[in-house]
Amino acid sequence: QVQLVQSGAEVKKPGASVKVSCKASGYTFANYDITWVRQATGQGLEWMGWMNPVSGKTGYAQKFQGRVTMTRDTSITTAYLELSSLRSEDTAVYFCARWAPDVAAAGWDPWGQGTLVTVSS
Amino acid sequence: QSALTQPRSVSGSPGQSVTISCTGTNSDIGNYNFVSWYQQHPGKAPRFLIYDVSQRPSGVPDRFSGSKSGNTASLTISGLQAEDDADYYCCSYAGSYTFYVFGTGTKVSVL
Repeated sequence: QVQLVQSGAEVKKPGASVKVSCKASGYTFANYDITWVRQATGQGLEWMGWMNPVSGKTGYAQKFQGRVTMTRDTSITTAYLELSSLRSEDTAVYFCARWAPDVAAAGWDPWGQGTLVTVSS
Repeated sequence: QSALTQPRSVSGSPGQSVTISCTGTNSDIGNYNFVSWYQQHPGKAPRFLIYDVSQRPSGVPDRFSGSKSGNTASLTISGLQAEDDADYYCCSYAGSYTFYVFGTGTKVSVL
């Protein structure tokens, strides 16, 4: 079945960087963009950006420009999210999600299980 | 870009219907028919419910329906069931500069 499996929880100090992975299986990785969304504890969903697995082209939310990098390794069907200059406000669960088939925009399915990133000194 | 506005909570008894509103602007909901809805249970990943304002992905019950009028989109859950007790988020495309914006989220309680 179509599945996205993310890497485990991370604890980072302020100012450090974190890299979260998202391993895709059950479909042709090249055919669907990957989106990243985060959710602080008790808060709502926040869209971070997208990446095309073939071209590597990306689009980032203005809020994260300069701090976020989305990449992929097509040989192992894995997408990556890297966030730098971490601050306490970046403590959140980070989700990857695949663009849903036959959807023009704003549709993602399935989602990874989420990766908790804690930023604390 | 601010988040889309949703009511903090709505509630209903089993079998009843509830409607969740999602208010945006002329830059997002009002300008595009690319509104989606997600359901999220505590500690779980979001589940894809509705896309393109009113379309249901395969496997989503027809109890869930979406609509839009002007700058406001709505999700209606008919025949409320216990498993519908969850958080719900709307999302809209907002152009090639902002890309996407989510709603503030609504807690649906099944009484």
